[in-house]
Amino acid sequence: SQQGEEDPQALSIQEGENATMNCSYKTSINNLQWYRQNSGRGLVHLILIRSNEREKHSGRLRVTLDTSKKSSSLLITASRAADTASYFCATAGGETSGSRLTFGEGTQLTVNP
Amino acid sequence: NAGVTQTPKFQVLKTGQSMTLQCAQDMNHNSMYWYRQDPGMGLRLIYYSASEGTTDKGEVPNGYNVSRLNKREFSLRLESAAPSQTSVYFCASGWKTSGGFRETQYFGPGTRLLVL
Repeated sequence: SQQGEEDPQALSIQEGENATMNCSYKTSINNLQWYRQNSGRGLVHLILIRSNEREKHSGRLRVTLDTSKKSSSLLITASRAADTASYFCATAGGETSGSRLTFGEGTQLTVNP
Repeated sequence: NAGVTQTPKFQVLKTGQSMTLQCAQDMNHNSMYWYRQDPGMGLRLIYYSASEGTTDKGEVPNGYNVSRLNKREFSLRLESAAPSQTSVYFCASGWKTSGGFRETQYFGPGTRLLVL
């Protein structure tokens, strides 16, 4: 079964609005990563947050991590039509996953111009 | 710097046929991975190679074999294709940190496989 579960499965917003996606996981982790996938393409790494970090920023991206709730959120501010893609969280480390990345099922984000 | 390359981009097979998916990376990564992605699902790990000369099963290894030919190349073989193996296959590479936890992975463009 998947370690990470994203919520919502699909999100549609207008350009300029903020988009928030959530990820929950089940076991302890070393780090959590967010990836983006444009339609028909491979995944591209966006940001990595370690288990001892609570918040991280990269440009218009803000990631939070709450290890007590085993959850993370990805916020994209001032969204653009070009942000339309699927977003996946992936967890690394932990007791059961060994040293491999385990991906969630993704959130499909549509940003309408 | 091509990153991670995969061949072929598309393939149609008949049930029972065999084929090999090729993957190469030029970033000097020690770890390489094969994933499959099915509609509406995330990526599931088929096999991975933590370093040259080693391979390990992932979440869904049945029906597949792999070969880590050298540090650059990691191939995935379907010996007898089945319709359930219709999917998009992604190769990825990355570094293994000293603590053993996987850092960022870099993905190829994918191979779209249809098994009839």
